[in-house]
Amino acid sequence: DIVMTQSPDSLAVSLGERATINCKSSQSVLYSSNNKNYLAWYQQKPGQPPKLLIYWASTRQSGVPDRFSGSGSGTDFTLTISSLQAEDVAVYYCQQYYSTPLFFGGGTKVEIK
Amino acid sequence: QITLKESGPTLVKPTQTLTLTCSFSGFSLSTSGEGVGWIRQPPGKALEWLALIYWNDDKRDSPSVRSRLTITKDTYKNQVVLTMTNMDPVDTGTYYCAHTGKQLWLKEFDYWGQGILVTVSS
Repeated sequence: DIVMTQSPDSLAVSLGERATINCKSSQSVLYSSNNKNYLAWYQQKPGQPPKLLIYWASTRQSGVPDRFSGSGSGTDFTLTISSLQAEDVAVYYCQQYYSTPLFFGGGTKVEIK
Repeated sequence: QITLKESGPTLVKPTQTLTLTCSFSGFSLSTSGEGVGWIRQPPGKALEWLALIYWNDDKRDSPSVRSRLTITKDTYKNQVVLTMTNMDPVDTGTYYCAHTGKQLWLKEFDYWGQGILVTVSS
């Protein structure tokens, strides 16, 4: 099983500042045959379902603002919000879809400082 | 435009069987590559993947609930049904269905339903 671990559990960032969330997988989620990392990031606001932000570790879903970016490869990944906006307050989850069983990270709560 | 909606009971008693239906539009499970997954979320906790079903009836499920879970599809009705037996209060949470897919490799969950809160209590 490929288990996901996120850090930190929560962080408070000032408006306009950078927020960085880390995600680590217990095994590589990189397929060497196509050089793609099977790692997604989701945003969940209170009372709402998760929303896909990033897939293949660094590809933004259509309509997602470019202040959101994903990076990393293999087992270590990062979601960066370059300039935090009030509407970005949410819990963020990473998920591996390299193989089943699928696993999500424990989530990172982002708040305004 | 892809949409999904979960339906079913919001309150079940311990030991009862839960049956949830995901009704969707904007894609068909008769089309190669398409799939639907179920994910749940206990109150205030993280997301937990439960099961997947694909156009070719390939099914995957979580070992943590495998013995209790059945996932089926009705291609003509555009529905996926999740059945979970022997419900327990720890199964309380919001249950989501989501669109996904598979070609040579698995895909992310790109569209989600609004979720249904299921409470297990006597």
